[in-house]
Amino acid sequence: SQTIHQWPATLVQPVGSPLSLECTVEGTSNPNLYWYRQAAGRGLQLLFYSVGIGQISSEVPQNLSASRPQDRQFILSSKKLLLSDSGFYLCAWSRGGSVTGELFFGEGSRLTVL
Amino acid sequence: GNSVTQMEGPVTLSEEAFLTINCTYTATGYPSLFWYVQYPGEGLQLLLKATKADDKGSNKGFEATYRKETTSFHLEKGSVQVSDSAVYFCALNHGDNFNKFYFGSGTKLNVKP
Repeated sequence: SQTIHQWPATLVQPVGSPLSLECTVEGTSNPNLYWYRQAAGRGLQLLFYSVGIGQISSEVPQNLSASRPQDRQFILSSKKLLLSDSGFYLCAWSRGGSVTGELFFGEGSRLTVL
Repeated sequence: GNSVTQMEGPVTLSEEAFLTINCTYTATGYPSLFWYVQYPGEGLQLLLKATKADDKGSNKGFEATYRKETTSFHLEKGSVQVSDSAVYFCALNHGDNFNKFYFGSGTKLNVKP
């Protein structure tokens, strides 16, 4: 069976510090990978998606970046965090090439920037 | 473009009441439609889905029917429980190569005993 894990689950960071959130998927190959952000009381905002190693598409210009160094690993980064980066970050995957597929979400990472 | 609109919450109901959460969509072609549920502090879980017009998705007593003529996918449950308290998201997948998903803003449901 397939599983998705992301970490850390919770972190508190000062403004201007770097960020690295990691996500890994097991039990499948060549998945589509996604990073979403959910601000308090708001819906889901797609930040990045990837259809393969080294292939990253950005949906919203901002100070975050994403990388996919391995087939089933997706990393969200920032060199300098802003207060507005606070939120609940969700990694997700879907089966590559499936037109009726669904998204499978990780447990989420809650980031508080002070 | 593609988008999903769902009713704003919060929705507060008493246990055993009937639930409807409205969802309408805008999309070209024939998207797949989904309802996801998010319990406090957790990620999203798929609740049900429908992949073509007139399909009915169902799970855990929840149902939604893909209505192409009204571009809707309303979520219903005949008798809600306290454990159904969560945020519900309507979503569509347009089926492009990269399987891009569009989400509504979410509707928070509070069920009181």
